[in-house]
Amino acid sequence: NAGVTQTPKFQVLKTGQSMTLQCAQDMNHEYMSWYRQDPGMGLRLIHYSVGAGITDQGEVPNGYNVSRSTTEDFPLRLLSAAPSQTSVYFCASSLQGPRNTGELFFGEGSRLTVL
Amino acid sequence: GDSVTQMEGPVTLSEEAFLTINCTYTATGYPSLFWYVQYPGEGLQLLLKATKADDKGSNKGFEATYRKETTSFHLEKGSVQVSDSAVYFCALDRDDKIIFGKGTRLHILP
Repeated sequence: NAGVTQTPKFQVLKTGQSMTLQCAQDMNHEYMSWYRQDPGMGLRLIHYSVGAGITDQGEVPNGYNVSRSTTEDFPLRLLSAAPSQTSVYFCASSLQGPRNTGELFFGEGSRLTVL
Repeated sequence: GDSVTQMEGPVTLSEEAFLTINCTYTATGYPSLFWYVQYPGEGLQLLLKATKADDKGSNKGFEATYRKETTSFHLEKGSVQVSDSAVYFCALDRDDKIIFGKGTRLHILP
């Protein structure tokens, strides 16, 4: 059972470089989201999507772009990486969204370092 | 805005000790409340939840009761094990978002 798959698991970037963190789920979940986890800050929501073609901003969206062209995939793009984006990134999905089910299924995380 | 406040960690206990991790929330309306757990090197997973006042969520020996009068959702376990060592997150739902607390790291000593 694949669940939520994130790639890559580790990445080192230089300031100003761009990259995409990939997230795919095989559970036919409508809702997908991206969080970042930083020491002492817990998890903070970056962007989320309630279905294909629909995205919205979370608590810390600046510096990140997302798109949702299919139900399965929800990539997170960093257009010009900054050291402040050094973090562990988690993708999470839910069948119908937190309001209905409350349970998010998380990927294993992607650790990003920006030098 | 809506928020969740958890007790600062780390919390260190001996095996078989009683555990309480405090969680209080600020929210308009009546959110659902959750505890998630993160084991080392993994993503978060749902531990338990409660959807309305006075509900008790329970799983794997852990319990938490939704207390509207004190806006609290404290996590308890009667006898912890080394395998319970993890980071625990209290959370609430708001519209299409789950809002997490900062997490409490728990160390259980054998």
